[in-house]
Amino acid sequence: GENVEQHPSTLSVQEGDSAVIKCTYSDSASNYFPWYKQELGKGPQLIIDIRSNVGEKKDQRIAVTLNKTAKHFSLHITETQPEDSAVYFCAANSGGYQKVTFGTGTKLQVIP
Amino acid sequence: SAVISQKPSRDICQRGTSLTIQCQVDSQVTMMFWYRQQPGQSLTLIATANQGSEATYESGFVIDKFPISRPNLTFSTLTVSNMSPEDSSIYLCSVERDRGYGYTFGSGTRLTVV
Repeated sequence: GENVEQHPSTLSVQEGDSAVIKCTYSDSASNYFPWYKQELGKGPQLIIDIRSNVGEKKDQRIAVTLNKTAKHFSLHITETQPEDSAVYFCAANSGGYQKVTFGTGTKLQVIP
Repeated sequence: SAVISQKPSRDICQRGTSLTIQCQVDSQVTMMFWYRQQPGQSLTLIATANQGSEATYESGFVIDKFPISRPNLTFSTLTVSNMSPEDSSIYLCSVERDRGYGYTFGSGTRLTVV
C-alpha cells in the first residue's frame, strides 16, 4: 500500500520567515496531493492541493510543489504569521476514498 | 463546502463504558467517513458509512467495537464500545468536498478514557 513520510515533525520559525514541509510517497499511482491545516481543537482543513499533472500551485502565501519522478511534494509558506501556527498534514490519494494516506503531521510554530 | 457539526467536542469516560458521537452535515451526502487520530499521530480511516447499507470497516476495526449508524443522508453516529484507555483519541467525521477531491472534516471529538 501507499506510504507517506512527512518531515520535519516540528518546525519553529520567526514571524516573517518562510516554512517548508516535505512529504514523500511510494505509490506511483497516486495522483492527488492535498495539504490540511489543523488548528488546536479543530478538525483538519484543506488549504491547498495539487494534481499529478501540475508541478506547482500557489495561493497567496502558500504554495505546493510536486516532483513526480522523485515522488515528493512540498508545502511552502512565505511571510509566516502567528496564525499559521498549527499542525499540517500532507496526503496522497491514488484513487477513491480508501486510497487516501495521510502523513504523520508537522507542528509549525511561528514565533512573533 | 459542507458544514459539519460534531458532538460532543470532548468527553472523559470510564473504562468499560460506551460513547456515541454524532455527526450532522448541512447538506445531503452519499458517504460519510469516520477517522481516528491518536495522540500526536496521523489520521486513520475507521469506516465508511453509506445511507441504507452496512458500514464498511477498514482493517483493524470491527463493527462490535465501533458500531455506526447512518439513518439518513445528513446524519451519522459512531459508538466507541467497551472503552479502554487505548481508545483515547480524537474521532473525526468527514465528507467528500463538493468537487470530489479532498475532504471536509468536523471539529472532532476528543475522547479520554480513564
